[in-house]
Amino acid sequence: ETGVTQTPRHLVMGMTNKKSLKCEQHLGHNAMYWYKQSAKKPLELMFVYSLEERVENNSVPSRFSPECPNSSHLFLHLHTLQPEDSALYLCASSFDRLLANYGYTFGSGTRLTVV
Amino acid sequence: RKEVEQDPGPFNVPEGATVAFNCTYSNSASQSFFWYRQDCRKEPKLLMSVYSSGNEDGRFTAQLNRASQYISLLIRDSKLSDSATYLCVVKGPNSGGYQKVTFGTGTKLQVIP
Repeated sequence: ETGVTQTPRHLVMGMTNKKSLKCEQHLGHNAMYWYKQSAKKPLELMFVYSLEERVENNSVPSRFSPECPNSSHLFLHLHTLQPEDSALYLCASSFDRLLANYGYTFGSGTRLTVV
Repeated sequence: RKEVEQDPGPFNVPEGATVAFNCTYSNSASQSFFWYRQDCRKEPKLLMSVYSSGNEDGRFTAQLNRASQYISLLIRDSKLSDSATYLCVVKGPNSGGYQKVTFGTGTKLQVIP
């Protein structure tokens, strides 16, 4: 139990499908994040939420749409994705988005394959 | 120059060996530093923070050199279970409404029996 739970663990979707990734944290953290990890590349920040408010959208295409209904839950809605969007999508949380000395707790990720 | 740079490896070392990784960063205003460990097809997990005076956690020692802008991780008496990718993470300065966090691509370690 990592404290950050992501579902589903694996997802295969067609380019015309709509799906959603879910993340839930039980740590009382104030900030939540979506990251994308592709092979041979560093983790890429997609979105940052702090107390349900989006504070960063890192030039992510509109086919990715985040939602944060409360400080414990984060969703990533997917539609009309491309094969190059296939990657590991990681949710993370941290105590506070601005405090330097706190690390992240990651969920186990959703491995997405777009066909 | 990459913001955070690591040798991708792989570093293949025998059990019991000592191995060290370096990570360089480009932004001198960076505020805090971490090492994460990522096993194959799993999520990254925080291994240790890196403090200015250096810090040790069992067989693991982390060092920070602000003048030369690098951090290091030393693993003594390597175990098979240490085989993983080690990610260098640099935080700060603050950017807009949050603290900028930059990940390295990771250094792969394979400990051989």
